[in-house]
Amino acid sequence: SQQGEEDPQALSIQEGENATMNCSYKTSINNLQWYRQNSGRGLVHLILIRSNEREKHSGRLRVTLDTSKKSSSLLITASRAADTASYFCATASLAAGAQKLVFGQGTRLTINP
Amino acid sequence: SAVISQKPSRDICQRGTSLTIQCQVDSQVTMMFWYRQQPGQSLTLIATANQGSEATYESGFVIDKFPISRPNLTFSTLTVSNMSPEDSSIYLCSVAGGSSNQPQHFGDGTRLSIL
Repeated sequence: SQQGEEDPQALSIQEGENATMNCSYKTSINNLQWYRQNSGRGLVHLILIRSNEREKHSGRLRVTLDTSKKSSSLLITASRAADTASYFCATASLAAGAQKLVFGQGTRLTINP
Repeated sequence: SAVISQKPSRDICQRGTSLTIQCQVDSQVTMMFWYRQQPGQSLTLIATANQGSEATYESGFVIDKFPISRPNLTFSTLTVSNMSPEDSSIYLCSVAGGSSNQPQHFGDGTRLSIL
């Protein structure tokens, strides 16, 4: 069964605005990873955040992790049309087999020019 | 990160036939995985491809339907056997290092349609 739940399922914003996507999970994790998928293509790895980290940045991306609430968020600032894609969170846990990823349902992000 | 090449990128197949998907990595990797993404859905792990031994399958997936080979540390194949329309999906391979906190990287996937 899917461990991650993401919301919203779909998000549509204007170019230049910020986009926030949330991910919740159910069990203890080693790390949480965020991916982008453009229209049926492969997944592009965005950020990995470890269970002992609370926040990470990469360019216009900011990821937070709250292990007490079992939740994470991905913030994309100053969005661009090229950010239009589906975004997935995935968790890795020792219980599942340290490297196996369990994916959330994803958020479809549309950036309107 | 490693460059991962998957072949074919897409195919249209007749029901009852089998198709083998190849995954080639440009460097040796410890872990290789195969995932399925059904239309409009998220990714589900099919199996872990183990070098030199039988793959480890997740619940709901069996070797007879999805035989996997991994002859070395840079190459793996997934065969989808006796295909039916329900097998229409994107199949993706991924690779990771040996430690538990390394990112996992994906190939571009194989889009498979069964008529």
